[in-house]
Amino acid sequence: QVQLVESGGRVVQPGYSLTLSCVVSGSTTTLYSIHWVRQAPGRGLEWVAHVSFDGSPPNYSESVRGRFTVSRDKTNSALQMSALRLEDSAVYYCVRALGTILGSTGFDHWGQGTPVTVSS
Amino acid sequence: QSVLTQPPSVSAAPGEKVTISCSGTNSNIGSGYVSWYQQFPGTAPRLVIYDRNRRPSGIPGRFSASKSGTSGTLAITGLETEDEADYYCASWDRRLSVVVFGGGTKLTVL
Repeated sequence: QVQLVESGGRVVQPGYSLTLSCVVSGSTTTLYSIHWVRQAPGRGLEWVAHVSFDGSPPNYSESVRGRFTVSRDKTNSALQMSALRLEDSAVYYCVRALGTILGSTGFDHWGQGTPVTVSS
Repeated sequence: QSVLTQPPSVSAAPGEKVTISCSGTNSNIGSGYVSWYQQFPGTAPRLVIYDRNRRPSGIPGRFSASKSGTSGTLAITGLETEDEADYYCASWDRRLSVVVFGGGTKLTVL
């Protein structure tokens, strides 16, 4: 049974940095991409970034490009967030998609989410 | 403003059918796949439809989907009160190299 577990979310001040971690277990393959999706309180889902298994460059949403960096090893991922803003406050989900991007199989497994609050 | 367009809300009575639309462009839905997600308050989303019209194990056959051109549609027949949730569509946008989500649709089962 595939499980994704995020950690690292907490309350930080604007301008600070924070790193989230995602541990993936139970997968019979490493041929998947790991995506980060966030959801601000009372809002919809917003895709943040993704990293594939094949070494191709990560992709980022326009709202975080240049401030966030996503990485992964064979199975797990980290999201380094810098210059945090009030609008980055959200629950951050780590999500798996088989293949290099979001393809036919969709986001088949989600973590439980880790909350990040940016507040002065 | 979301790249994929969904109605903010839909409603129907138990036992009825409801459809939720998701409108995109040639660079996302029109040239790829759309997947659908269900989210209950306070919980993580879960996949309900992928690969045009396939369901993960545990998702009832009352859920189905279709795609036509640059739009996708999620259909739920024989509505049950437990279907009341938020629903999102998503697709890869090949021009922007990002994943795009719809704004979400709140389904109310009256």
